[in-house]
Amino acid sequence: DAGVTQSPTHLIKTRGQHVTLRCSPISGHKSVSWYQQVLGQGPQFIFQYYEKEERGRGNFPDRFSARQFPNYSSELNVNALLLGDSALYLCASSFQAEAGFSHFGPGTRLTVT
Amino acid sequence: SQQGEEDPQALSIQEGENATMNCSYKTSINNLQWYRQNSGRGLVHLILIRSNEREKHSGRLRVTLDTSKKSSSLLITASRAADTASYFCATDAGDYNFNKFYFGSGTKLNVKP
Repeated sequence: DAGVTQSPTHLIKTRGQHVTLRCSPISGHKSVSWYQQVLGQGPQFIFQYYEKEERGRGNFPDRFSARQFPNYSSELNVNALLLGDSALYLCASSFQAEAGFSHFGPGTRLTVT
Repeated sequence: SQQGEEDPQALSIQEGENATMNCSYKTSINNLQWYRQNSGRGLVHLILIRSNEREKHSGRLRVTLDTSKKSSSLLITASRAADTASYFCATDAGDYNFNKFYFGSGTKLNVKP
């Protein structure tokens, strides 16, 4: 079975631009979470979606938004990019909404110049 | 602030030796998990230990959990060069309703051949 997939793998954006990152969960998984990992640090929780509803939100500004589609894939949108948004963005999927282990994708490396 | 913190930040050992890394957290939890990350890529789930468990094994991995001290340790026995990676513990902050993890900054393990 395919694991969690993310696209694109890498991208470079300019300050002030907007970016959309995509995630496809493992087949049958209904929960998708997004994490931001700045270089040298551990991942930080951004959002969790389950059955197309937002279940949790981390301490990120409103420039960050996400949604989940009927096929359970998800998009993370970031507006008005700042240099500090440069990071590895990780998507994780799980079957259940509640606490338990998740399968992580390979991540999207975003560089903001 | 992040819930889990790993110690040491970096560890360098010879192939065949055992590697021990520790994790401390701040609030009560449902589960604690350990993940591995190779060179800034996606996270690989290693093991999950529940708050009512004290020890768990998986292959060459042994995880202990002491909820009274709010700490966990990961032991990798007979290490291999392929174990070179960053290791993160992740906790769920005790809220079972969300699949939301708190990660520390990780332990960077280097296994020399």
